[in-house]
Amino acid sequence: QKEVEQNSGPLSVPEGAIASLNCTYSDRGSQSFFWYRQYSGKSPELIMSIYSNGDKEDGRFTAQLNKASQYVSLLIRDSQPSDSATYLCAVNQISGGYNKLIFGAGTRLAVHP
Amino acid sequence: EPEVTQTPSHQVTQMGQEVILRCVPISNHLYFYWYRQILGQKVEFLVSFYNNEISEKSEIFDDQFSVERPDGSNFTLKIRSTKLEDSAMYFCASKGTGASSGNTIYFGEGSWLTVV
Repeated sequence: QKEVEQNSGPLSVPEGAIASLNCTYSDRGSQSFFWYRQYSGKSPELIMSIYSNGDKEDGRFTAQLNKASQYVSLLIRDSQPSDSATYLCAVNQISGGYNKLIFGAGTRLAVHP
Repeated sequence: EPEVTQTPSHQVTQMGQEVILRCVPISNHLYFYWYRQILGQKVEFLVSFYNNEISEKSEIFDDQFSVERPDGSNFTLKIRSTKLEDSAMYFCASKGTGASSGNTIYFGEGSWLTVV
């Protein structure tokens, strides 16, 4: 069974700090990786996608990918209380030529004033 | 911005009843998905659909489940005889084709199904 693993948290950080969220995956063939944010009772909302090793920055968010270590992370700079949510790591799997996303269980982030 | 829309947002049904959840994927998207999330658990893949047929389904997607694209815009999930354990949020999602879309899958707001 191909898995995506995340620490469930909660990860508690003070406002203005950097939040670091981590994810590991088991399928070495995966090529596309995504971070979604999910507020309670809401649908997953795409934050970032990353396809190549290294860092990808978008505003306060930086995604990091290391395919050799099968590790992907998300850094949130200058964390705000509105960032408090569950962050879902998702890995694209290809089967028979078709894509699907496999999700981790999510890490709950709490940003306190 | 285009979005995936789902109806109903919440449905309560009695055990054993049939339920149909409806979705309108993003226009010009060709890949469609249903996921579900039981309260407090992870988002789980149910089924993918392309070119008017199922491309992949998970172990969860047993004979009680079916999907259909009855016209050019709607994509439905039917549960024939609901069980208590079918209570969950069901998310429809869609994906485009071509380099500009990448592999990004966009989710609808979800349909909360409560089986009593």
